[in-house]
Amino acid sequence: QKEVEQDPGPLSVPEGAIVSLNCTYSNSAFQYFMWYRQYSRKGPELLMYTYSSGNKEDGRFTAQVDKSSKYISLFIRDSQPSDSATYLCAMNRSGSSASKIIFGSGTRLSIRP
Amino acid sequence: EPEVTQTPSHQVTQMGQEVILRCVPISNHLYFYWYRQILGQKVEFLVSFYNNEISEKSEIFDDQFSVERPDGSNFTLKIRSTKLEDSAMYFCAISKERNEQFFGPGTRLTVL
Repeated sequence: QKEVEQDPGPLSVPEGAIVSLNCTYSNSAFQYFMWYRQYSRKGPELLMYTYSSGNKEDGRFTAQVDKSSKYISLFIRDSQPSDSATYLCAMNRSGSSASKIIFGSGTRLSIRP
Repeated sequence: EPEVTQTPSHQVTQMGQEVILRCVPISNHLYFYWYRQILGQKVEFLVSFYNNEISEKSEIFDDQFSVERPDGSNFTLKIRSTKLEDSAMYFCAISKERNEQFFGPGTRLTVL
């Protein structure tokens, strides 16, 4: 079983829709959870950084973590064409620095105008 | 968000040649990382670096790879003898005390 599983998509939705992106993981030692956005041939851009279970909201983005189910989600409200990108879930075992991040394979999202 | 630049943006090299990829953080950060992403695959951790020492490295980071921070600002990744399978995007990342890692734009390495 892979450490982090993410549906690769592609996912195509109309502008203004609510988008739900998800990842599952197998290692219960993961404590810190992240979502990155990556445009084609660019570096990953950190969107959300959360610790343990619960919700975190930032503008149109909401990150949700359910450690009991080993399941994390990213919701995008009022989606825009500029949100079209690949979204990477990521996690690590420790919040202390120099801890490696394990990435999902990414979900390709397309927002249709 | 902290900024980090990487040079070159694209490097083409012959198999067996040495390459050096450079990372320049704009602001003062303590922790440095290298990741790579083979085309169509996930981002993979290579190495983390703190206080002029390697903190952690992956299985990928074998004797052909090395890292250093020679002048206190640039952070470099050297591949001594490149192989075809080293072709990938290489990303530098930086963080401060909390482990929020910010990535550079990447260097695309093509080994012929």
